[in-house]
Amino acid sequence: EAQVTQNPRYLITVTGKKLTVTCSQNMNHEYMSWYRQDPGLGLRQIYYSMNVEVTDKGDVPEGYKVSRKEKRNFPLILESPSPNQTSLYFCASSLTAGPYEQYFGPGTRLTVT
Amino acid sequence: KQEVTQIPAALSVPEGENLVLNCSFTDSAIYNLQWFRQDPGKGLTSLLLIQSSQREQTSGRLNASLDKSSGRSTLYIAASQPGDSATYLCAVRLINQAGTALIFGKGTTLSVSS
Repeated sequence: EAQVTQNPRYLITVTGKKLTVTCSQNMNHEYMSWYRQDPGLGLRQIYYSMNVEVTDKGDVPEGYKVSRKEKRNFPLILESPSPNQTSLYFCASSLTAGPYEQYFGPGTRLTVT
Repeated sequence: KQEVTQIPAALSVPEGENLVLNCSFTDSAIYNLQWFRQDPGKGLTSLLLIQSSQREQTSGRLNASLDKSSGRSTLYIAASQPGDSATYLCAVRLINQAGTALIFGKGTTLSVSS
């Protein structure tokens, strides 16, 4: 089954404790992206990757890192999480950065205390 | 900067009604427009994808239209059911934006009463 998976689905952590949210897709997609969703602000893009080893900032990249060492994986790294990073995070992928549907993972609910 | 607006923000209807959700966007240079459904605290379910060259797409009781020149899309839900209660999001994929992110509206929260 074609899908985007994320782990963990739920995470509660403390300020400053490094964490990684994994994202994997099995569709051989070149393009992958991370979004965060916050009440009143909607979904906003954090980082994206056009292909392996090609990543770039989206609209709200501060406090996040990403890497794309393999085509299927696009982890989101929070090196020193803060409470304002409490959010619902979605990973997405599409065939390329062109006119293709984006497929979304199930989401990761992160709480930073 | 592209803005996506969804009106109304919330809508309550009795079961069985036909309804229309509206989405407008300011930049017509788009690859496509997607409609999503989101249940409270849950993930995004893609409902319909309309390419910029298309006028509409249909799936079951759902019909989405796209008028790129006027920057408008509508999602028509026929014979609404309580199970349709959710937040509906529209999003456009821009051509002239690095990373071609989806730009989302803030959604319309639909409540269908039985």
